[in-house]
Amino acid sequence: AQSVTQLDSQVPVFEEAPVELRCNYSSSVSVYLFWYVQYPNQGLQLLLKYLSGSTLVKGINGFEAEFNKSQTSFHLRKPSVHISDTAEYFCAVSHLTGGGNKLTFGTGTQLKVEL
Amino acid sequence: EAGVVQSPRYKIIEKKQPVAFWCNPISGHNTLYWYLQNLGQGPELLIRYENEEAVDDSQLPKDRFSAERLKGVDSTLKIQPAELGDSAVYLCASSFQTGSHYEQYFGPGTRLTVT
Repeated sequence: AQSVTQLDSQVPVFEEAPVELRCNYSSSVSVYLFWYVQYPNQGLQLLLKYLSGSTLVKGINGFEAEFNKSQTSFHLRKPSVHISDTAEYFCAVSHLTGGGNKLTFGTGTQLKVEL
Repeated sequence: EAGVVQSPRYKIIEKKQPVAFWCNPISGHNTLYWYLQNLGQGPELLIRYENEEAVDDSQLPKDRFSAERLKGVDSTLKIQPAELGDSAVYLCASSFQTGSHYEQYFGPGTRLTVT
């Protein structure tokens, strides 16, 4: 079975400051990793994904994440946040199960950017 | 290109009443997913369709929940009868195919309140 842990339920940060949202996963097999963002009253939007290759993945809106297999982590970072980055962020893991594609999500981290 | 469309966006019903949610996936997407998102939690998969076939419904509470995807396009998720604990956001997503590397595109969700 696979699981995702997002230890920080809320992260407050001032505008233009850097931010890191933490994600740890557990799985007995190789996984694919994703970060999604959810703005209020909207669906989830893919920020970035790690499938293979370079462990540093760049996504939309200036976000990036680094896959660390030894620490089973996939932390999300942004060097300078903007007010518009205020949203809920979900880390997710996937691996092929019975020929399918099942995403297991973490509980989410609420990023609140303040002036 | 239109995204995943869901309706209604909001629904308030009394317990023991039936309710149905509708989803129109992105054109050409063969795989359709229904997720349940409880408050403060990440989405959890209820059912996954490949074309018309439900290939993963292991998490669908079949005593009260049902789903269908006629003609492999639109899908309907039904609850009958609804219980107070069913209050949540129901998300629909679609992907071009089933593989883990295919991005899942999410709709805005239907927020259900059972009173």
